[in-house]
Amino acid sequence: GEDVEQSLFLSVREGDSSVINCTYTDSSSTYLYWYKQEPGAGLQLLTYIFSNMDMKQDQRLTVLLNKKDKHLSLRIADTQTGDSAIYFCAESILGTYKYIFGTGTRLKVLA
Amino acid sequence: GAVVSQHPSRVICKSGTSVKIECRSLDFQATTMFWYRQFPKKSLMLMATSNEGSKATYEQGVEKDKFLINHASLTLSTLTVTSAHPEDSSFYICSARQGRLDEQYFGPGTRLTVT
Repeated sequence: GEDVEQSLFLSVREGDSSVINCTYTDSSSTYLYWYKQEPGAGLQLLTYIFSNMDMKQDQRLTVLLNKKDKHLSLRIADTQTGDSAIYFCAESILGTYKYIFGTGTRLKVLA
Repeated sequence: GAVVSQHPSRVICKSGTSVKIECRSLDFQATTMFWYRQFPKKSLMLMATSNEGSKATYEQGVEKDKFLINHASLTLSTLTVTSAHPEDSSFYICSARQGRLDEQYFGPGTRLTVT
């Protein structure tokens, strides 16, 4: 089945690192994505990783993928107040182009 | 980059009326468009997949006669919520996929309120 879980909330202090976790169940995913959603707005693609990779770094963002455990994480270095938002992971299902979204993690950055 | 627009951004309608939401790919031809629904503080739920010139494929539990999807061209898909009820109030987001690429480009969303 298709099920993508995330912890609901994360609170960090400005300047610290944030780590947002995601677990999924469908092993046929091709790409895994991280999106950011600010209040009342659409989705902003942050980064993605191909399913045969285990790490990708993009400026302040680091994505780690443990395919054996079906675990994906997003690390934001030097977290800023502007990073406060909801973060969704999503997996793209092989052969369908459909995305299954995680439950979302609300990140709050304290000044 | 690839831009997807939605219109309107917000709409309020009375119960029993129908509402049409447009999704356009502005600078590319969209092979496939997707419609999602997001309840407050919840995740995005895929409603249907729409390919140009063919009937939409609806996800389990989504009423195709209530949520009419038309994908008339490679740059436009419309979602019509028919005989709207207050429980249809939600944030509707579309996305578009280009060619053989996997990535979906998301619209800014439409907030529908049914009174």
